[in-house]
Amino acid sequence: KNQVEQSPQSLIILEGKNCTLQCNYTVSPFSNLRWYKQDTGRGPVSLTIMTFSENTKSNGRYTATLDADTKQSSLHITASQLSDSASYICVVSDRGSTLGRLYFGRGTQLTVWP
Amino acid sequence: NAGVTQTPKFQVLKTGQSMTLQCAQDMNHEYMSWYRQDPGMGLRLIHYSVGAGITDQGEVPNGYNVSRSTTEDFPLRLLSAAPSQTSVYFCASSYSIIRSGANVLTFGAGSRLTVL
Repeated sequence: KNQVEQSPQSLIILEGKNCTLQCNYTVSPFSNLRWYKQDTGRGPVSLTIMTFSENTKSNGRYTATLDADTKQSSLHITASQLSDSASYICVVSDRGSTLGRLYFGRGTQLTVWP
Repeated sequence: NAGVTQTPKFQVLKTGQSMTLQCAQDMNHEYMSWYRQDPGMGLRLIHYSVGAGITDQGEVPNGYNVSRSTTEDFPLRLLSAAPSQTSVYFCASSYSIIRSGANVLTFGAGSRLTVL
């Protein structure tokens, strides 16, 4: 069964600290993995996309990694800011169908305290 | 560009009432979709459309109808609202997610629906 599991479910850190969010998936055949950030009361916004051949990709203070062999991805946030408080959602796409179905994780709720 | 616009942002309905959630995009995207988001659950696909005149069911389509008469608009209709349909609804669009799924989804701001 194709699934996307995220951990931890929630996380509280102090401003300025680093943190890492995890995403494990069983989606096959794999096409790509995308991390979205969802602020409270808003729709998700894409942070980065990882394809099969990519190991690491950065977007400012956000760095995503992908290990396609173990089917794991992580999102590392450096020097956290209050504005990083949000839910982070991992979305995996398959290539087993013409449409490329999307599988959503339940998200990690990150709270950054001053 | 306005992106994806959803209306209304908030709505309260009584059981059995019907209503339509509106979604419009100005990016000429082929693909449009509706999701619902419930506490502790991931986003779940209700219905989607790969172009004007073409719609299909997603993971949780029961109790909802859609139509796509134009490229820009993709309304979601609740035929007879039930408390189980209390949720936050998101419309999302993309140029296309044919085959690769590589195209990013652009989400609306959401519509929070409460059914009493």
